[in-house]
Amino acid sequence: EAGVAQSPRYKIIEKRQSVAFWCNPISGHATLYWYQQILGQGPKLLIQFQNNGVVDDSQLPKDRFSAERLKGVDSTLKIQPAKLEDSAVYLCASSLVLSELSEQYFGPGTRLTVT
Amino acid sequence: KNQVEQSPQSLIILEGKNCTLQCNYTVSPFSNLRWYKQDTGRGPVSLTIMTFSENTKSNGRYTATLDADTKQSSLHITASQLSDSASYICVVSLHNQAGTALIFGKGTTLSVSS
Repeated sequence: EAGVAQSPRYKIIEKRQSVAFWCNPISGHATLYWYQQILGQGPKLLIQFQNNGVVDDSQLPKDRFSAERLKGVDSTLKIQPAKLEDSAVYLCASSLVLSELSEQYFGPGTRLTVT
Repeated sequence: KNQVEQSPQSLIILEGKNCTLQCNYTVSPFSNLRWYKQDTGRGPVSLTIMTFSENTKSNGRYTATLDADTKQSSLHITASQLSDSASYICVVSLHNQAGTALIFGKGTTLSVSS
């Protein structure tokens, strides 16, 4: 089966610019996650969707970050305006159901560099 | 505070040797513990998932152990291969009325050399 797809794989922008990332989860997976992974650290959850509804966005910096999953399939994560500290890999993951034992499948990530 | 601490931060071993990675956690209420392998430039891939009642779980040359009393876990890699070079991340899941959250460790970077 096809895995989680993300694009672009790499992005370089200047601070104060805007950027958007796209994620296509595994077909049939109801739950979608966006993580931020800063170099040398483990991933940090930004937002979690169940179908097209937000389950958890407590760690999303809402003044500059936004995410949507309008049709309950693909999702986009946007940063506007970007700051230097946003440089990180942004990982998208999906799972079949919203369960404490659900396996999460990760995409390859988008590496963002803010200069 | 919910935290996951891993040691060592990095490790270099010769191909064919065994190694053990450590994970200590202070997460409550505990649901399960996972080990992920993350190759450079790739997303994490699940190796094992263990619940409170499980002491050990194997996946090929990878064996994870869990001591829920001391809140410690280890990942043992047997007969290491060059392809084992990666970051190994310990993840603890907590589950409460608000739902499920994954707490990630910073990972151990393993380098296997020939």
